[in-house]
Parts: sequence; C-alpha cells; structure tokens
Amino acid sequence: DAKTTQPTSMDCAEGRAANLPCNHSTISGNEYVYWYRQIHSQGPQYIIHGLKNNETNEMASLIITEDRKSSTLILPHATLRDTAVYYCIVSGGGTSYGKLTFGQGTILTVHP
Amino acid sequence: NAGVTQTPKFRVLKTGQSMTLLCAQDMNHEYMYWYRQDPGMGLRLIHYSVGEGTTAKGEVPDGYNVSRLKKQNFLLGLESAAPSQTSVYFCASVRRGGYNEQFFGPGTRLTVL
Repeated sequence: DAKTTQPTSMDCAEGRAANLPCNHSTISGNEYVYWYRQIHSQGPQYIIHGLKNNETNEMASLIITEDRKSSTLILPHATLRDTAVYYCIVSGGGTSYGKLTFGQGTILTVHP
Repeated sequence: NAGVTQTPKFRVLKTGQSMTLLCAQDMNHEYMYWYRQDPGMGLRLIHYSVGEGTTAKGEVPDGYNVSRLKKQNFLLGLESAAPSQTSVYFCASVRRGGYNEQFFGPGTRLTVL
C-alpha cells in the first residue's frame, strides 16, 4: 500500500471548516483513499473514501486532486466533538484483504 | 445490533502469564483483524482472518496467536506475556467485497507488569 504524509497537528475554530491535507504521491491506480478518525482512544471510525472523484457524505467531503497524489478531507462546520486524530490511509483491492496501514495521523483540535 | 464487541475491557497481567482476548461481531463480516496501539502511535496490524478457519500474520505478529473457529469470533492469545505487549488492542471487521469500511471494537487495555 502507498505511504501517506499528513501534518502532525492542526487547529480549527468551532463552526469553521476544517481542511485536513494528505499526500500520497505513490498511490497506484487501483488504490482508494480512506479517512478514519479516532476520538480519545476509542476505536477508529470510518469517515469517507474515494478513488478519483470528489465524494461527500453526512460527515465530510473528500477532494482528490486530478493526479491523485494528494487529497483533502473537509469537515464543513467543525464542532468540539470533531477533536480527534484523523488518519489518511491508502488501501487497494486484490490480495490486500482489506488491510489498513495506520500512520500517526493528524491531531485536529477544535477550539471554542 | 451490537457491532463489534471486545472482552475484557481492561486486564493486568504479570510477565509470563497467558490470556485470551475475545472479539465478536454480529454483522456477518468475513474479514476480521487484530491491531495494537501503543501510546502516541497509530494502529499496527497483528493478525487477520479472511474467513472461518483461516488466519494470517500482519505487521507485528510475534508473541501472539489467533484463532477463528467461528465466523463471528476472532480470538487473540498471548502465551507468555511480556511488558512490551502492554498496549491497547483493537479488533475490527469488514464485509468482503465491499469498500473497506472497517468497524472497530472499543478496545482492550492490557498492562503487563
């Protein structure tokens, strides 16, 4: 699976959009970009995933660049409950059997 | 629908003792995983299973054994616990063939003295 690079930490004001970047320059054609988050030592929680098109769900939006070498997770109206570690993971099909490789992620702190 | 549950939630062992962690899921998922998370680190894959009766090694398998006798259960065993195995252990499961939305359990916090 391709390696990802994320900033160690970010801050965001409550009510504002949080934009979390991720670089994955070695991503291959059949690999997806996944985002998970982990709130205060709970089990990680799936947020969103994408292949090459931008995606949106009830939690967030995912913007993937045309060359697929980077992506941005957008939390449109961050709340205090969004304070968490956010993991960007590249994972493919085939014989990967769903395995996920977690890096250290980005610690997002949402301030009042 | 309980999702993924883990037993126990906390445990303290002495060096050399053994124990088994139980993961159960009620979503009929084919794939199951055991991860460990050390302080300030991301999760690392210990072992995984792609179906009943099958297991495979992940990134950090040494010192652990697993079994998947029933589709809904995935057991992680420590035969002779060491202080280096002090960690939080997470179990996860996912449906085969769909996208990789893994469902995680709440974790087991293990301390080895």
